[in-house]
Amino acid sequence: ETGVTQTPRHLVMGMTNKKSLKCEQHLGHNAMYWYKQSAKKPLELMFVYSLEERVENNSVPSRFSPECPNSSHLFLHLHTLQPEDSALYLCASSQERYFNEQFFGPGTRLTVL
Amino acid sequence: QQQVKQSPQSLIVQKGGISIINCAYENTAFDYFPWYQQFPGKGPALLIAIRPDVSEKKEGRFTISFNKSAKQFSLHIMDSQPGDSATYFCAARETSYDKVIFGPGTSLSVIP
Repeated sequence: ETGVTQTPRHLVMGMTNKKSLKCEQHLGHNAMYWYKQSAKKPLELMFVYSLEERVENNSVPSRFSPECPNSSHLFLHLHTLQPEDSALYLCASSQERYFNEQFFGPGTRLTVL
Repeated sequence: QQQVKQSPQSLIVQKGGISIINCAYENTAFDYFPWYQQFPGKGPALLIAIRPDVSEKKEGRFTISFNKSAKQFSLHIMDSQPGDSATYFCAARETSYDKVIFGPGTSLSVIP
């Protein structure tokens, strides 16, 4: 595997379910990000991790809970989501936190019923 | 002030033509302006980027034009090809903050 991978690619869940999204980067980067991409809206930065420490949380509801066990892996734990949370969730990484180029994974298409 | 505006929302160009996408920003502290290309089912990928100390940057068929005084920048795709059909996002970043502000995207279709 190369670059940034995400699993699952598609996820359908009910509002009472608990699920997790997984991201893995094979680039040796130290910073990882979660973005939300909704139709016709700009990408929204959700969380930033640098060297496994969360450094930014952009007022994201607590029903989204990130976890970064090491610099190669990033998770987004989901619980009691709302239908408006349906979107494409993108993971990205960069060499360092303030490094300009971010490499994106293919995303997880989430549908909340 | 943190917004990046992008137009048009969608664009149809004949093969061989020039595709032009425009973006505007307000925050004068932005110091890095990347363009991302996203194909269906894929994440965005960095296409080309510019810093405000230059007015133009060209990489192959892709050119960024930057107007610092107008706080505007644009992407030109010369000799557009059907393989260029994708969604293009402009973005702006203030390097001292770890946040990239993206435009809403332009869906480009290049027809034969």
